[in-house]
Amino acid sequence: AQTIHQWPVAEIKAVGSPLSLGCTIKGKSSPNLYWYWQATGGTLQQLFYSITVGQVESVVQLNLSASRPKDDQFILSTEKLLLSHSGFYLCAWSLNNNQAPLFGEGTRLSVL
Amino acid sequence: SQWGEENLQALSIQEGEDVTMNCSYKTYTTVVQWYRQKSGKGPAQLILIRSNEREKRSGRLRATLDTSSQSSSLSITGTLATDTAVYFCATDRGSALGRLHFGAGTQLIVIP
Repeated sequence: AQTIHQWPVAEIKAVGSPLSLGCTIKGKSSPNLYWYWQATGGTLQQLFYSITVGQVESVVQLNLSASRPKDDQFILSTEKLLLSHSGFYLCAWSLNNNQAPLFGEGTRLSVL
Repeated sequence: SQWGEENLQALSIQEGEDVTMNCSYKTYTTVVQWYRQKSGKGPAQLILIRSNEREKRSGRLRATLDTSSQSSSLSITGTLATDTAVYFCATDRGSALGRLHFGAGTQLIVIP
């Protein structure tokens, strides 16, 4: 069975500090991978998607970047956090473009 | 309803009652995917209904889709306290199914 794991579960960071969030998919090769962001009490907004290793497409510019260094790994990062980066970051995967994404449990980020 | 409305909608009902949540969208879509998100968790898939389907059922859930009015609904019969969650509809806007656009969500509170 496929499993999706996000780390860390939660982070408290200072404005201006760097950030790296991770996501790993096990049990499926070459999945499509996605990063979504959710403000507290808000809806989900897709940030990035990747259909293959080394290729990442940006959907929304939020001063964040993403990378896919391995087939089963998706990383979200920034060198300088803003207050507006606070929220819930969700990684998701799908088999292909014809399947709705399945979400991980998320990382709660608080920027102070 | 979601999307036609910009803000999270809220419903509070007694356990055992039936409930219907509505979603109206503004852009062409080939599918509507309904998700449920419990507090602090990632969204879980509920029902996916395609543009050539008018109704789809799964257990106590029933989704409908009316492409002419660009609206979808999700009904839950015999609600349980464990159905308490935020319910989102999401569309693909004619793009890849993995690249979903989410509505504002409906907060459902089921009182035991």
